[in-house]
Amino acid sequence: DIQMTQSPSSLSASVGDRVTITCRASQSISSYLNWYQQKKGKAPKSLISAASNVQSGVPSRFSGSGSGTEFTLTISSLQPEDFATYYCQQSYNTPYTFGQGTKLEIK
Amino acid sequence: QVQLQQWGAGLLKPSETLSLTCAVYGGSFSNYYWSWIRQPPGRGLEWIGEINHSGSTNYNPSLKSRVTISVDTSKNQFSLKLSSVTASDTAVYYCARVFDLYSGYDYFYFDYWGHGTLVTVSS
Repeated sequence: DIQMTQSPSSLSASVGDRVTITCRASQSISSYLNWYQQKKGKAPKSLISAASNVQSGVPSRFSGSGSGTEFTLTISSLQPEDFATYYCQQSYNTPYTFGQGTKLEIK
Repeated sequence: QVQLQQWGAGLLKPSETLSLTCAVYGGSFSNYYWSWIRQPPGRGLEWIGEINHSGSTNYNPSLKSRVTISVDTSKNQFSLKLSSVTASDTAVYYCARVFDLYSGYDYFYFDYWGHGTLVTVSS
């Protein structure tokens, strides 16, 4: 199985901050990398697919980059509704695997 | 608009079989794979497996010996059975649609999700 490792596991930030979350794969996965946002008690929501394709309806402050084994999710200016847990997920092969999550909290 | 509605028993005893069903409303059922994903309380996400309309399946090897995913195309539904459950199977179980961003290039991601069903295994 491909192991996905996110850093940091948790992050405190303020409204307006620029935030970057990193996801590393245990082997090259090209651009087969997706990002999800999950709020407490809710199902995950797709934010970005294929490493950098922002889903329709997702605010432009969200962006993704990377290829191979290292990927980043960037939120350019944090808004109150962005405080949530973020997961990366590889779709290079099955079993699809997720990172352990990054919990973004208000400072 | 695509909606996934899921249901099933929420409390099981050890050794029983977990059974959940997910109904798909709106959009095509036949053109996609459909997945089950679970999340233990306070923990991360684990992909369980997937099925398409013709019944072709892929399972997570870590659960393969206990998992069966089936499909009923007449009702646009798919189901999960997990046998011999233990406390470690306690989790919120989600159904989700697998979407291929660039059709044919296998850039899959989970675009629509069910609301989740908490399944607790306890004696």
